[in-house]
Amino acid sequence: NAGVTQTPKFRVLKTGQSMTLLCAQDMNHEYMYWYRQDPGMGLRLIHYSVGEGTTAKGEVPDGYNVSRLKKQNFLLGLESAAPSQTSVYFCASSYSTRVRQPQHFGDGTRLSIL
Amino acid sequence: TQLLEQSPQFLSIQEGENLTVYCNSSSVFSSLQWYRQEPGEGPVLLVTVVTGGEVKKLKRLTFQFGDARKDSSLHITAAQPGDTGLYLCAGAYSNYQLIWGAGTKLIIKP
Repeated sequence: NAGVTQTPKFRVLKTGQSMTLLCAQDMNHEYMYWYRQDPGMGLRLIHYSVGEGTTAKGEVPDGYNVSRLKKQNFLLGLESAAPSQTSVYFCASSYSTRVRQPQHFGDGTRLSIL
Repeated sequence: TQLLEQSPQFLSIQEGENLTVYCNSSSVFSSLQWYRQEPGEGPVLLVTVVTGGEVKKLKRLTFQFGDARKDSSLHITAAQPGDTGLYLCAGAYSNYQLIWGAGTKLIIKP
């Protein structure tokens, strides 16, 4: 049971470089989310998707773009990386619109911007 | 801005002791979830509480949702080293979004 798979697990970028983080889920979930986790700040929602082809902004969307071309995949892009984007990025998915349903998380991508 | 404050931020105790972790807000939530996260992994859901005053038990862990649905607590009885981890609470205020606390890092020493 793979669940939610994130690639890559680690990455180091230079300021100004671009990259894409990939999230794949095999649970047929409609809803997918990208979070960043920073020390002392908890998880903050970057973007989310309520279905294939639809995305919406979360709490901290600036500097990021997302795409959900296929139901099972949710991509997070950094167009021009900045040191402030150094963080651990988590993807999650859930089955239902009701937030009381559990969110299933991947193991994260550790991203360092030099 | 909605905030969810967790306390304490860090707790280190001996095996066998009891402990309580708190999650507080000035906002009312429709539901609240508790997750546990281990190093190098994503959070895993422990429980969801929905009704004000609700109490749920998961083996040695007892979760309570405040009567006004603004706060919650997690009590662990006779803590074990396997309980070590980062405990996160998350409150639901819309259909799609959760507000997350910063977490309580718990270490249980053998």
